[in-house]
Amino acid sequence: DSGVTQTPKHLITATGQRVTLRCSPRSGDLSVYWYQQSLDQGLQFLIQYYNGEERAKGNILERFSAQQFPDLHSELNLSSLELGDSALYFCASSVESSGVPSSYNEQFFGPGTRLTVL
Amino acid sequence: KNEVEQSPQNLTAQEGEFITINCSYSVGISALHWLQQHPGGGIVSLFMLSSGKKKHGRLIATINIQEKHSSLHITASHPRDSAVYICAVRSGGGETSGSRLTFGEGTQLTVNP
Repeated sequence: DSGVTQTPKHLITATGQRVTLRCSPRSGDLSVYWYQQSLDQGLQFLIQYYNGEERAKGNILERFSAQQFPDLHSELNLSSLELGDSALYFCASSVESSGVPSSYNEQFFGPGTRLTVL
Repeated sequence: KNEVEQSPQNLTAQEGEFITINCSYSVGISALHWLQQHPGGGIVSLFMLSSGKKKHGRLIATINIQEKHSSLHITASHPRDSAVYICAVRSGGGETSGSRLTFGEGTQLTVNP
């Protein structure tokens, strides 16, 4: 158990709908990352938040958005869903705090949310 | 060409064999991760390294920064080692700059009894 939790585990929805995926980082971790794993694209970085602020952006579609709340949990919102959005969505967390060299900031992955768009 | 290349894509071994999975990258990195993904989908971080060598049980990871290459070795392989092994390189990081992982395509390892 990595200490990172994600809900829900599975989500089945229809095209055009909107869903919200939730991630709670390990206690003390300030940084949250979101990743998408699809069959044809493999694992891809979507976005990083650090202590409530967006820090880095990857291959995240405009239909997708994320935020990190004051209690450090994060939500990934996916809207106008398409069949191709079906994938495993992982979040990961790391410390990224002062005094810790960046090379020591290991990421711990949550169990993932499997999204199926029908 | 992908920024992170892994080889082989698929690997089948007999129990007890020594296994090597290779990872080459073409970008500057602050660290390299080896991840394990089981059939259920969960991802476990095996190693994060920025230089030299790390060992954990039967697993050994090495990195050569100059050659931009890393290897994951499994000694005395066992059927429970069957999984997808993914190399990921980290760029950026720290409090003031964002970081991201770029992933290889993974190596599907099957260890037969």
